[in-house]
Amino acid sequence: QVQLQQSGPGLVKPSQTLSLTCAISGDSVSSKSAAWNWIRQSPSRGLEWLGRTYYRSKWYTGYAVSVKSRITINPDTSKNQFSLQLNSVTPEDTAVYYCVRSEQWLNNWGQGTLVTVSS
Amino acid sequence: QSVLTQPPSASGTPGQRVTISCSGSSSNIGNDYVYWYQQLPGTAPKLLIYRNNQRPSGVPDRFSGSKSGTSASLAISGLRSEDETDYYCAAWDDSLSGWVFGGGTKLTVL
Repeated sequence: QVQLQQSGPGLVKPSQTLSLTCAISGDSVSSKSAAWNWIRQSPSRGLEWLGRTYYRSKWYTGYAVSVKSRITINPDTSKNQFSLQLNSVTPEDTAVYYCVRSEQWLNNWGQGTLVTVSS
Repeated sequence: QSVLTQPPSASGTPGQRVTISCSGSSSNIGNDYVYWYQQLPGTAPKLLIYRNNQRPSGVPDRFSGSKSGTSASLAISGLRSEDETDYYCAAWDDSLSGWVFGGGTKLTVL
């Protein structure tokens, strides 16, 4: 059974970088059938897909247009995990962030991390 | 503003049947499967319906999904008090190359 365990700070100052990590058990980040996503949820923006990374003989990434200039999602094969970095955050980036495994749909969700952007 | 459109609220009495709609476009619902998620307070969304009308094991057959053109619906029959929570539709969008969601429907059991 696949489980995703998120970690990272719950408070980030404006203009700084939001960093979260998602540790995977029960699957490999290098799986050739899965993709590894970050999704956030806030009252103002609802559920918003941010991006994903996946391996199909080489690594691919894809990002939402709304955050494309500020986001990086990286796999870490040595630790079987993947990460999210979101630069230059503002209070509008305050949300619950989820890491999510997908194959043909969004199958497995992490527990969620509330990240507040505030000074 | 969410890419998929859902009514913000729905309600019904115990035992009743309620439906929740989800409207999209040719680049998402019209071109791919629809998925439905149930979200209890303080928890991550849980898959309720996949590939338009398939139920994962453990989901009661009171829940059913359908799709026609660029719209989809979730139906809940034999409404129970524990069904009172939030429901979201989702689909892959080929134009955006990403997952898109409805704004969510809060279901109230009167």
